[in-house]
Amino acid sequence: DAGVTQSPTHLIKTRGQQVTLRCSPKSGHDTVSWYQQALGQGPQFIFQYYEEEERQRGNFPDRFSGHQFPNYSSELNVNALLLGDSALYLCASSEAVTHTTGELFFGEGSRLTVL
Amino acid sequence: DAKTTQPPSMDCAEGRAANLPCNHSTISGNEYVYWYRQIHSQGPQYIIHGLKNNETNEMASLIITEDRKSSTLILPHATLRDTAVYYCIVRDAKITGANSKLTFGKGITLSVRP
Repeated sequence: DAGVTQSPTHLIKTRGQQVTLRCSPKSGHDTVSWYQQALGQGPQFIFQYYEEEERQRGNFPDRFSGHQFPNYSSELNVNALLLGDSALYLCASSEAVTHTTGELFFGEGSRLTVL
Repeated sequence: DAKTTQPPSMDCAEGRAANLPCNHSTISGNEYVYWYRQIHSQGPQYIIHGLKNNETNEMASLIITEDRKSSTLILPHATLRDTAVYYCIVRDAKITGANSKLTFGKGITLSVRP
């Protein structure tokens, strides 16, 4: 049973460019969340997708956008990259039905470096 | 902002119990305490959660004080592989997967020494 998979694992971009990161959720999961983790900090919530719609959003500018596909996979897009966007981007999946564990399953992340 | 405070770091000897403290003095009655850990270069991993009773699973035990203002994660026999950043998170109990945001702080870095 594959867990959460993310691609690419590492990438380097220059300021002003655009980047797309991809995530496939754990089998049976229909909700995907994205987090940004700067060096030495805890992950910060970007947004969450369920039923192909953005359901929650953290304190991130509109340069950060996303999409969820019918197969539940998701993309994170960042436009007009800034140096401060350099971080580890984590994808997490979960089930939308009410449950008691509240467990999120995280991928290994995509390490973005902006030069 | 995170609703928890943790010391920045601690260490323990391999084979000994690691007791990781967490303060959550503003926790409300419908909020759970969750613990995740993040081993270097990996994504966070769920460990355990609880509301007011002590909890135990194959990974750890969670002790929550009676007033629920603090908790302790206990790794009974720490190994070198337990070296990681441990995050204590307070989260609304009325959640669904479509409303499952986690608010992380900086966590506590546990170093297990041989």
